[in-house]
Amino acid sequence: QVQLVESGGGVVPPGTSLRLSCAASGFTFSNYAVHWVRQAPGKGLEWVAVISYDGSNKYYADAAKGRFTISRDNFRNTFSLQMNSLRAEDTAVYYCARDGGWYYFDSWGQGTLVTVSS
Amino acid sequence: QSALTQPPSASGSPGQSVTISCTGTSSDVGGYNYVSWYQQHPGKAPKVMIFEVSKRPSGVPDRFSGSKSGNTASLTVSGLQAEDEADYFCSSYAGSNMRVFGTGTKVTVL
Repeated sequence: QVQLVESGGGVVPPGTSLRLSCAASGFTFSNYAVHWVRQAPGKGLEWVAVISYDGSNKYYADAAKGRFTISRDNFRNTFSLQMNSLRAEDTAVYYCARDGGWYYFDSWGQGTLVTVSS
Repeated sequence: QSALTQPPSASGSPGQSVTISCTGTSSDVGGYNYVSWYQQHPGKAPKVMIFEVSKRPSGVPDRFSGSKSGNTASLTVSGLQAEDEADYFCSSYAGSNMRVFGTGTKVTVL
């Protein structure tokens, strides 16, 4: 079955960097676009970024542009989110999700918590 | 991109129906038939319940239905059951490969 497993979360000071990873299994990873979605504590979902099936196209929410970079490795069935210049407002559970093909998220990981605090 | 607007809460007794609205603009909800709905239980990952406005993924009960009129989409849960108590979020394609989520609605089964 489809499985997505995030890793890399933790507590970091403001202004620093963190790299999140998502390991995919149970499907042909190179056929699907994949996303990062975050959820601040007690708040709603916020779309962060998407990368196309082959990595040639990447799109970001305004809050992520210029600070976050999404990438993928179709040989290792993984994708990542490099987050730089982290701010307190980036504190959230970060989910990786698979694109269902028609602009929806059909599978989700369990999430990894990122806390930006001094 | 601004979040889509949902009511903070909705409730119903077991067996009753509850409808949740999701209001956007002509640049997102009104411009595309790509509205999806997600159920999220506390501490769990979201789960897709509806995609492309009204389509149900395999395994989702037909008690869940979706519709859209203009800039507002709706999710109806019929025959409410205790396990339907959860947070629900809508999402829409917003053009230029962007996505936007709704503010979320907490559904309580009385």
